[in-house]
Amino acid sequence: QSALTQPPSASGSPGQSVTISCTGTSSDIGGYNFVSWYQQHPGKAPKLIIYEVSKRPSGVPDRFSGSKSGNTASLTVSGLQAEDEADYHCCSFGGSGGFGGGTKLTVL
Amino acid sequence: EVQLVESGGGLVQLGGSLRLSCAASGFTFSSYWMTWVRQAPGKGLEWVANIKEDGSKKNYVDSVKGRFTISRDNAKNSLYLQMDSLRAEDAAVYYCATDRASFTFNIWGQGTMVIVS
Repeated sequence: QSALTQPPSASGSPGQSVTISCTGTSSDIGGYNFVSWYQQHPGKAPKLIIYEVSKRPSGVPDRFSGSKSGNTASLTVSGLQAEDEADYHCCSFGGSGGFGGGTKLTVL
Repeated sequence: EVQLVESGGGLVQLGGSLRLSCAASGFTFSSYWMTWVRQAPGKGLEWVANIKEDGSKKNYVDSVKGRFTISRDNAKNSLYLQMDSLRAEDAAVYYCATDRASFTFNIWGQGTMVIVS
């Protein structure tokens, strides 16, 4: 049982935008601005793509954006590209302090 | 080059022990909280344990408390995870990662696989 709830799958066509949600509680996502998102390609280690809700590390394309409303955080991938097909994991500080179950993004 | 390299994974019997290591290079290891995260086959990520920069504070997920011990040697730029009384559900790829701030994991190793039979 993951601390945070993500949809198991999402999909979109090249060029489209897709949003992945991550729902927690007032003890984690709702209580802190320490939400991060990780991209993981098959057989690879996770890679930080969003931190502190909406900040991007150097080198991460601005097609990736993050936001938060109440107890739910969201990752939006705009202008979908084939290489965006991967698993995406959210994480939040607080509460049980953990990850979501992950969302498999398919580029159709 | 900024790098974390895990080692020590392998096949172990139920109830057995294993010690994972994580060697850091290319950054100031002693300035970071360090974390172990695991991923069971086909599953999501699970935070396992973390340790403060100087080793003075350690935290564990409930399922490993009393069985796993996290430690570090800043002189050797190394992080460790001693795993005892291993269970089937501990089988996973174990990653070490730096925590830049409150569960923000910015540098990851390639992972080491633990198989429990």
